[in-house]
Amino acid sequence: DAMVIQNPRYQVTQFGKPVTLSCSQTLNHNVMYWYQQKSSQAPKLLFHYYDKDFNNEADTPDNFQSRRPNTSFCFLDIRSPGLGDAAMYLCATSFGTGGTYEQYFGPGTRLTVT
Amino acid sequence: TQLLEQSPQFLSIQEGENLTVYCNSSSVFSSLQWYRQEPGEGPVLLVTVVTGGEVKKLKRLTFQFGDARKDSSLHITAAQPGDTGLYLCAGNGGPGAGSYQLTFGKGTKLSVIP
Repeated sequence: DAMVIQNPRYQVTQFGKPVTLSCSQTLNHNVMYWYQQKSSQAPKLLFHYYDKDFNNEADTPDNFQSRRPNTSFCFLDIRSPGLGDAAMYLCATSFGTGGTYEQYFGPGTRLTVT
Repeated sequence: TQLLEQSPQFLSIQEGENLTVYCNSSSVFSSLQWYRQEPGEGPVLLVTVVTGGEVKKLKRLTFQFGDARKDSSLHITAAQPGDTGLYLCAGNGGPGAGSYQLTFGKGTKLSVIP
């Protein structure tokens, strides 16, 4: 089945220790998104790639970076995680050419910062 | 100012009761999606509504898009414990956003008690 996959599902890192979260998709969608979600809140968009074009939200901290080496994969790098970065990180994809741009989410990575 | 006002924020009901969740905005959206998210998982797309006045049914769930495409509602008939989760409405193509970017409501946390 076509899907969005996130690894790992759970990640524990230490304060200040860089961490990378990964996302892959078999939907062949050209848009990929990274969201941060804290407890029972709506997802907050960090950035997205439209094809190879990177788009950063204005309020996304510099501590967060992203890479998209090819259509299928996208990475979220947190350079120096703080306690406030503990959250669920969601990857999503959509087909960004006409249509309704429905977004399909992965299962998320729960990040704990100790 | 929240572009999409979702209400109620929390809802706890007995199994078998009916409920309605509202998603309101002063802005027009090109389409609107409803998602359900279970604890520890990513949001799952339930439905997309596109046309003003559109009504879509998914088993016991009925979704409506307002005539002016500014508001939407989700009605659940005879709620079951399996309906428990966070319900999110999200609009495409809202003010200041690309058509492939979603504007999320804050979500409705539903608990259905057996």
